Amino acid sequence: GAVVSQHPSWVICKSGTSVKIECRSLDFQATTMFWYRQFPKQSLMLMATSNEGSKATYEQGVEKDKFLINHASLTLSTLTVTSAHPEDSSFYICSAPGVSTDTQYFGPGTRLTVL
Amino acid sequence: DAKTTQPTSMDCAEGRAANLPCNHSTISGNEYVYWYRQIHSQGPQYIIHGLKNNETNEMASLIITEDRKSSTLILPHATLRDTAVYYCIVHARRALTFGSGTRLQVQP
Repeated sequence: GAVVSQHPSWVICKSGTSVKIECRSLDFQATTMFWYRQFPKQSLMLMATSNEGSKATYEQGVEKDKFLINHASLTLSTLTVTSAHPEDSSFYICSAPGVSTDTQYFGPGTRLTVL
Repeated sequence: DAKTTQPTSMDCAEGRAANLPCNHSTISGNEYVYWYRQIHSQGPQYIIHGLKNNETNEMASLIITEDRKSSTLILPHATLRDTAVYYCIVHARRALTFGSGTRLQVQP
């Protein structure tokens, strides 16, 4: 099956700093990728849709100036959490649809802890 | 996307079949039923999907009722590694809307 990787797998940062998370499709190309966020004991919530070569589309309530998304190539999308605060601490997960199906393939997730 | 209803939690003995139900009474004709699972602190994993016919793969079987208003995911011989939260998702667009899922605990 298709493989999606994320880097880093975990990160700890100080409040006010920015953190970049990478999502890569390893053996297929993805013109669209999705970013989710998951707080402890909760389900995944879609944050935004990352579109290769164009602007990302954000779900209601997600600040686009705080969560910067760049999809510069067909295999890489990045999510930058700017001026991170403790309430941004969460598990961030990306996904990409398979080439010929709508099956989503998920990355392993990135655990962000903001001190 | 249609809303789904799943039991909050289920237990299953190791080696036995695990049958996880899902109700999706508002499903529309072009929406597929997808099942994913999430093992603790990992990204979700695709299991199986179907439109109206029953499906089987190396991981599981999916039984969809004739009216498509409900489905059952069957893990034929559950192992301890199958302990996870299982999500039934009905959708036609690519982004997924996750409900609460069913927390399956496989007991030794």
